[in-house]
Amino acid sequence: GNSVTQMEGPVTLSEEAFLTINCTYTATGYPSLFWYVQYPGEGLQLLLKATKADDKGSNKGFEATYRKETTSFHLEKGSVQVSDSAVYFCALSGPGSARQLTFGSGTQLTVLP
Amino acid sequence: ETGVTQTPRHLVMGMTNKKSLKCEQHLGHNAMYWYKQSAKKPLELMFVYNFKEQTENNSVPSRFSPECPNSSHLFLHLHTLQPEDSALYLCASSQDSTGGAKNIQYFGAGTRLSVL
Repeated sequence: GNSVTQMEGPVTLSEEAFLTINCTYTATGYPSLFWYVQYPGEGLQLLLKATKADDKGSNKGFEATYRKETTSFHLEKGSVQVSDSAVYFCALSGPGSARQLTFGSGTQLTVLP
Repeated sequence: ETGVTQTPRHLVMGMTNKKSLKCEQHLGHNAMYWYKQSAKKPLELMFVYNFKEQTENNSVPSRFSPECPNSSHLFLHLHTLQPEDSALYLCASSQDSTGGAKNIQYFGAGTRLSVL
């Protein structure tokens, strides 16, 4: 079945540091890939998505590229802010019977001023 | 504001109580979902409804009983819960449940449930 593995946290960075959160997946066929973010006390919000190989999703300074050859979808941001502190979830949605979202376990990011 | 509203935001209940969680979406979507989020565990999909019909039940204990009277409302009825059921319960909706890029799910803020 489908699965998502993302780097364990917590991750603590200083403001303006570079961020990478690794995400790899296992799926049959060609899934769509997502990053969701959960701010404290809130539900999950879609951050960005990519639907086919080599697509780059981007939003709010975050980027992730769908790499079919390495089955990866790493999240990056060049300069993080305190307001980026949240839990980040990598997820995939496969075609056919595996169409529901499969989430990774989440990575807690804390950005210090 | 994601267009998905969950009430109550917090709930404390005893193991013999009966309570219900409510979810309402104002996005015109046709699919709705219940998830359980426990500390240090991946989100667990519990139920899926598509056009008011239940299409998935991921081996959820019968003490959790969902109800979907229309495409905009989803309930989770709770009875005889256990302390290990304490978690954040998230509701989500999407255009439909066919998957892929059309299946972007929009989440509510969740109900934080504590079972004593």
